[in-house]
Amino acid sequence: KAGVTQTPRYLIKTRGQQVTLSCSPISGHRSVSWYQQTPGQGLQFLFEYFSETQRNKGNFPGRFSGRQFSNSRSEMNVSTLELGDSALYLCASSFQGDQETQYFGPGTRLLVL
Amino acid sequence: KQEVTQIPAALSVPEGENLVLNCSFTDSAIYNLQWFRQDPGKGLTSLLLIQSSQREQTSGRLNASLDKSSGRSTLYIAASQPGDSATYLCAVYSGSARQLTFGSGTQLTVLP
Repeated sequence: KAGVTQTPRYLIKTRGQQVTLSCSPISGHRSVSWYQQTPGQGLQFLFEYFSETQRNKGNFPGRFSGRQFSNSRSEMNVSTLELGDSALYLCASSFQGDQETQYFGPGTRLLVL
Repeated sequence: KQEVTQIPAALSVPEGENLVLNCSFTDSAIYNLQWFRQDPGKGLTSLLLIQSSQREQTSGRLNASLDKSSGRSTLYIAASQPGDSATYLCAVYSGSARQLTFGSGTQLTVLP
């Protein structure tokens, strides 16, 4: 079974631009969660989608948004990029989300200049 | 608010040594605890998941224990190998928050 895939793997943007990241979960998984990882803050939860609905949201500004499609693929969008948005963005999938092993993708490394 | 702490932050051991990584959490109302491994610049690989009703889980040379009442978990690695070098992260899933809360990790180096 193919693992979680994320595209693109690397991205360089400038301040003020917007960016869209994509995550394809493991086949059959309906829950997709997004995390931001930085050296200073570690891994922080952004949001979780299940069956095309945002089920939970972390403590991030409204510039961070996401969506999930009917095939469970998910996208994350960051508008008006700031230097502090430079991070590794990880998505994780599971069948239903609750109380299950989370399977992580390789991440998208975003650099904001 | 759930907080997860991992001690030590970094650990360097000679090959073949048995070692223990520690994880503590502040809110014992958890559904499960997961241990992950992260190689530099890579995503996370799940190692073990312990449900709140369980006391331990084993996979190969890895054994994880959970003491929910005291808010502690340990990851025991037997006969360490250089290939075990990575950052080990623990994370708890809290029902109230419906999200994984991660510790800051222990960076392990196993010297040949």
